[in-house]
Amino acid sequence: DTGVSQNPRHKITKRGQNVTFRCDPISEHNRLYWYRQTLGQGPEFLTYFQNEAQLEKSRLLSDRFSAERPKGSFSTLEIQRTEQGDSAMYLCASSSGEQYFGPGTRLTVT
Amino acid sequence: AQSVTQLGSHVSVSEGALVLLRCNYSSSVPPYLFWYVQYPNQGLQLLLKYTTGATLVKGINGFEAEFKKSETSFHLTKPSAHMSDAAEYFCAVRRGSDSNYQLIWGAGTKLIIKP
Repeated sequence: DTGVSQNPRHKITKRGQNVTFRCDPISEHNRLYWYRQTLGQGPEFLTYFQNEAQLEKSRLLSDRFSAERPKGSFSTLEIQRTEQGDSAMYLCASSSGEQYFGPGTRLTVT
Repeated sequence: AQSVTQLGSHVSVSEGALVLLRCNYSSSVPPYLFWYVQYPNQGLQLLLKYTTGATLVKGINGFEAEFKKSETSFHLTKPSAHMSDAAEYFCAVRRGSDSNYQLIWGAGTKLIIKP
């Protein structure tokens, strides 16, 4: 297993466009987390899945954000009608105990 | 509620010198504490963690941290800095149970190593 992977690594989009990111967790991990990290800050929790069930969502996750994990394996995070304030690194982590992080997707909204 | 404060957004040390990165936490329950490292353009990697038991925790790459309940601290140290240690370091505290938890993070400390 090569660890947690995220695609794309970088995304540049224009304000108002929709974007979707993908996270492939470590195969035997049943828990999957999404975080957002802005420059100079630590990660902020967005949402958490156990298998396919989304168990918790942060208040940071506005109506424009949606996350899915349809078969309890990979997960997608979609942002609709992107805003400049959405520019950040989006991190995914998977866990069966400790959290293992992917390399992140850096989103730039112009 | 849990929270984490990291003192100093940037710390600069000479190669071979002691590294000390400070972390103070707030927790209403016995804390589980973590240090992660993030190299440029990479994800976060676990350095070490404290759960229960021995208060001096050893991690990877020669780092260690000591849990001090009386000081609500979990400072990260390394006796001798190496150029490859240049990275950003994050302290985190766990919120929740074994089966459902989040990590609450500090703002990070960028470690700069001077040759």
